[in-house]
Amino acid sequence: AQSVTQLDSHVSVSEGTPVLLRCNYSSSYSPSLFWYVQHPNKGLQLLLKYTSAATLVKGINGFEAEFKKSETSFHLTKPSAHMSDAAEYFCVVSVAGGYNKLIFGAGTRLAVHP
Amino acid sequence: DVKVTQSSRYLVKRTGEKVFLECVQDMDHENMFWYRQDPGLGLRLIYFSYDVKMKEKGDIPEGYSVSREKKERFSLILESASTNQTSMYLCASRRTGGEYEQYFGPGTRLTVT
Repeated sequence: AQSVTQLDSHVSVSEGTPVLLRCNYSSSYSPSLFWYVQHPNKGLQLLLKYTSAATLVKGINGFEAEFKKSETSFHLTKPSAHMSDAAEYFCVVSVAGGYNKLIFGAGTRLAVHP
Repeated sequence: DVKVTQSSRYLVKRTGEKVFLECVQDMDHENMFWYRQDPGLGLRLIYFSYDVKMKEKGDIPEGYSVSREKKERFSLILESASTNQTSMYLCASRRTGGEYEQYFGPGTRLTVT
């Protein structure tokens, strides 16, 4: 069965420093993986997705993620945090053959300090 | 741009009331989903639909039902609202295929008193 574990419930960084949000997945096949962001009182927005093409995926707002099959990881990074990056981030895996269901991680809340 | 809209941003209902949450998407997506979002639990799937009049239970269907009479519209029904159904409800739609992302509505924050 597919599952997703976000290793940190809260991450705090200073503006201008790198961001790392960690995600491990469990899947018996090559999965499709996504990162979504949710700003306060807003719906979820897709940041980026991996669908078995390049292992390094670039997304919006300077974010990127690297698919590492050997480590079953899909960590989200950004070289330099901005105040507007403060939000909740969800790592998501697609379920094969299950009417396109997605399995969400519990979320990581990113705080960015001046 | 894909647009998913939900009928209300905020809703307050009393225990025992029947509650309807409506969701409409404008991209002709086959699949539609209802989630609830609670702090520390992420998003949990309540029900989904892969075609008109078709539905499948998600992970937490108890106390909920759904209706999909038209492709663009997916309704979530709380037959008799209870205080433990106070939550944020998110609707999403998606094209069929594992590589396609889900598009989300803005959410409805439901409070049951």
